[in-house]
Amino acid sequence: GENVEQHPSTLSVQEGDSAVIKCTYSDSASNYFPWYKQELGKRPQLIIDIRSNVGEKKDQRIAVTLNKTAKHFSLHITETQPEDSAVYFCAASRNSGNTPLVFGKGTRLSVIA
Amino acid sequence: SAVISQKPSRDICQRGTSLTIQCQVDSQVTMMFWYRQQPGQSLTLIATANQGSEATYESGFVIDKFPISRPNLTFSTLTVSNMSPEDSSIYLCSVEGGATEAFFGQGTRLTVV
Repeated sequence: GENVEQHPSTLSVQEGDSAVIKCTYSDSASNYFPWYKQELGKRPQLIIDIRSNVGEKKDQRIAVTLNKTAKHFSLHITETQPEDSAVYFCAASRNSGNTPLVFGKGTRLSVIA
Repeated sequence: SAVISQKPSRDICQRGTSLTIQCQVDSQVTMMFWYRQQPGQSLTLIATANQGSEATYESGFVIDKFPISRPNLTFSTLTVSNMSPEDSSIYLCSVEGGATEAFFGQGTRLTVV
């Protein structure tokens, strides 16, 4: 089955700097890669996702890149703000509504003002 | 999109007892997924619930401990049976997730004493 590795486990950045979180996956058939943000005591919220037919996707300060050959994808947050502080999870799955997501172990991001 | 109502939101239970968690979706969905999130950890899939058939459990999870019902296309329950303190976690139900955004219930924070 799918295995998703995520690094780093913790990340501290100064406000305004960029943050990068990286994930690798094992199942070459996976083709849907979402990123979730989870604030303390809340459910995970989708912040961006990418499918295998696209190499990069951007939404304001957030971008995701995908390298299918190397089986890795990354989350980039620019101009970080204190409200970006949370736990971020990457995930992977095959392209089917009947397929569950497999999550990475998470990255705790702290943005220091 | 889908809206999931999950309850209870939290509970404190005595060891040896059972708790049933309910998830109601505002639309019909083929599959529902149950995840466990242990303190400070990632989301781990417990089982996949398909209406009209037995749930499919992941390695490490068994039906006797986590029985699941899926009586129709909008509702599912997860029971945590014969609880021990190690079962203290957040339990989340989810829908979709393979081809599109996964939607999560609010989560049930379970504490076993």
